Amino acid sequence: GAGVSQSPRYKVAKRGQDVALRCDPISGHVSLFWYQQALGQGPEFLTYFQNEAQLDKSGLPSDRFFAERPEGSVSTLKIQRTQQEDSAVYLCASSVEGQGSGYTFGSGTRLTVV
Amino acid sequence: QKEVEQNSGPLSVPEGAIASLNCTYSDRGSQSFFWYRQYSGKSPELIMSIYSNGDKEDGRFTAQLNKASQYVSLLIRDSQPSDSATYLCAPCEGYGGSQGNLIFGKGTKLSVKP
Repeated sequence: GAGVSQSPRYKVAKRGQDVALRCDPISGHVSLFWYQQALGQGPEFLTYFQNEAQLDKSGLPSDRFFAERPEGSVSTLKIQRTQQEDSAVYLCASSVEGQGSGYTFGSGTRLTVV
Repeated sequence: QKEVEQNSGPLSVPEGAIASLNCTYSDRGSQSFFWYRQYSGKSPELIMSIYSNGDKEDGRFTAQLNKASQYVSLLIRDSQPSDSATYLCAPCEGYGGSQGNLIFGKGTKLSVKP
C-alpha cells in the first residue's frame, strides 16, 4: 500500500480483556517497528522485526505483550489481560532496509482500557 | 539507559520568526539523527535527517549536529502557524532499519502565533 495502515483506529477494552492490533506496512519494507506513546510523551520502542524474524523485543513491558509477523508483511501486536496502564497510542512504523531515511509511521491505534 | 532530552515547552514564537528547537542525547554511539513533527492526535512525520557534523538545510528547515557535544538542533525560519506542533528528536545508533531503533525524546511543543 501507499502508507502504513493500522487497525483498529480506536479500541476500548475492559480491564482483563485481550486485544489484537494490526499493522500493514508499506509494501517491500523489510523492517517493522512497534512503539507505544503515552499522552504527552515521546514514542517508546516495543519491538522490531526484520522480515518475519523478531530481532528485538527488549521494549515489551511485560509478558502480556506479544508480537508476530509470520509472513514478513502484516504484523499483530497482542496484549493479554489488559490493564489501565496499557492505555496509550500504539504506533507501527516500517522502513526500507539500509536507507537511513527514518521510519514511516502509521496513524496508530488508540487503546483505552476501562 | 539511552536518554534524549528536549525542552518540553511550549515554545511560543511570532509568525515569521525563527524557531530554535534543541536536543541532547546520551548515546555517543548514535550515528544518525531524525526530527519528526507530530500534530495533535496524529502520528509522527519525518521532516529532517542528519548524519554528519554541521548544518543541513531543506527549505525553511535547518538541522544542526555536533556529535562532540552530543547536541542536535532544528531551526525553522519564517515560522508559520501551520508549524505549530510537537517536534520529536530521535537519534539512532545506526542508520535505520536493522542498524538501530529510534530513541525518541519527549518532544518540544511549538506554538506559532499569527
